[in-house]
Amino acid sequence: DIVMTQTPLSSPVTLGQPASISCRSSQSLVHSDGNTYLSWLQQRPGQPPRPLIYKISKRFSGVPDRFSGSGAGTDFTLKISRVEAEDVGVYYCMQATYKGSFGQGTKLEIK
Amino acid sequence: EVQLEESGGGLVQPGGSLRLSCAASGFIFSRSWMTWVRQAPGKGLEWVANINTDGSKTNYVDSVEGRFTISRDNAKNSLYLQMNSLRVEDTAVYYCAKEGYVSDWGQGTLVTVSS
Repeated sequence: DIVMTQTPLSSPVTLGQPASISCRSSQSLVHSDGNTYLSWLQQRPGQPPRPLIYKISKRFSGVPDRFSGSGAGTDFTLKISRVEAEDVGVYYCMQATYKGSFGQGTKLEIK
Repeated sequence: EVQLEESGGGLVQPGGSLRLSCAASGFIFSRSWMTWVRQAPGKGLEWVANINTDGSKTNYVDSVEGRFTISRDNAKNSLYLQMNSLRVEDTAVYYCAKEGYVSDWGQGTLVTVSS
């Protein structure tokens, strides 16, 4: 099974400053169809997860453009260009190339 | 608008069974892979199982293999998760999600396994 490892597990950020979360997979996430099924999700307290990014860098409808995804192979990054108060929550990476699996989650909080 | 509504959760004793349902609307259900994800209280997300469009291919996380069965009824736009031999560690909120890359989620249904 593919293990997804996120760093950091906690990220205190100043409002208006950028934030970055890394995600590493235990093997390449390139599918036989050529796609890389790496997603990012946000979960605010008491709510179901909200998908932000799929296939490494594609934003879902309605996701602000301050969220961006990048990476390839086994190393991926979620960046928030300027953190806003509503961005507080836990962020997960997820791979859907081989079955599925999530990272441990990264808690984003405001300093 | 995509809507997913889970039901069937509740309290069950260890060793018992439960069947979860997910009613889907707002998209062509028969063309979408579907996924179950769970979240134990205070813990992270855990991928549980997924199923292809016609139900002929299923995948499971190792910890539920042989105990849980994912299925679907495209005529009823419904997804199911039959859970047998339940363990205390299966206690979680269970979410259904659209596609393998989980593009849309329901609100979840709580399953509590306790004596």
